[in-house]
Amino acid sequence: SQQGEEDPQALSIQEGENATMNCSYKTSINNLQWYRQNSGRGLVHLILIRSNEREKHSGRLRVTLDTSKKSSSLLITASRAADTASYFCAQQWRAARQLTFGSGTQLTVLP
Amino acid sequence: GAVVSQHPSRVICKSGTSVKIECRSLDFQATTMFWYRQFPKQSLMLMATSNEGSKATYEQGVEKDKFLINHASLTLSTLTVTSAHPEDSSFYICSARGRDGGDTQYFGPGTRLTVL
Repeated sequence: SQQGEEDPQALSIQEGENATMNCSYKTSINNLQWYRQNSGRGLVHLILIRSNEREKHSGRLRVTLDTSKKSSSLLITASRAADTASYFCAQQWRAARQLTFGSGTQLTVLP
Repeated sequence: GAVVSQHPSRVICKSGTSVKIECRSLDFQATTMFWYRQFPKQSLMLMATSNEGSKATYEQGVEKDKFLINHASLTLSTLTVTSAHPEDSSFYICSARGRDGGDTQYFGPGTRLTVL
């Protein structure tokens, strides 16, 4: 499967700062989703952005999608220590089909 | 709503034994469930797609005779790791997609398998 790439692999910031994670993928998509995973736990769905959308907001999260560059970014504003987790982007090539996950970004928010 | 459970959450077994992992959709019917494997500090890799009432579709490189998948009902899929070896030690996560055919998948909490 065509796994996407995320950068940075790891990000460490102070509480209150913004965190930006980037995701690139290789082929056309139906939608792109972002997930969060706390250490050793399952995944929590954060946000879904469709290929015809460019930006989406959900609380402190802002996701952008640039299909021409095959890239997406996740911005977490005013980060909190509780935001510490791994963040994965996942591409869905066709509607309602399997997800292909990126390599993930480990975010650490220092209190 | 849209809760997915997995059982067991952790299992330790001896090499050569078989281990069954259950994935249940608790408050919705899931026509399709997906099984992923995640090694430490790595991403999730799709192993197979499980459709209720039909054979699972395995990803390239995943041995179907080693990882048996059964999706006998709209709320339950099982993954059996047969003749487990230490290299099968991993975090196994399932996800489910509802009958509405939506694009969102709901993930279980995962099962940590350790093969001694």
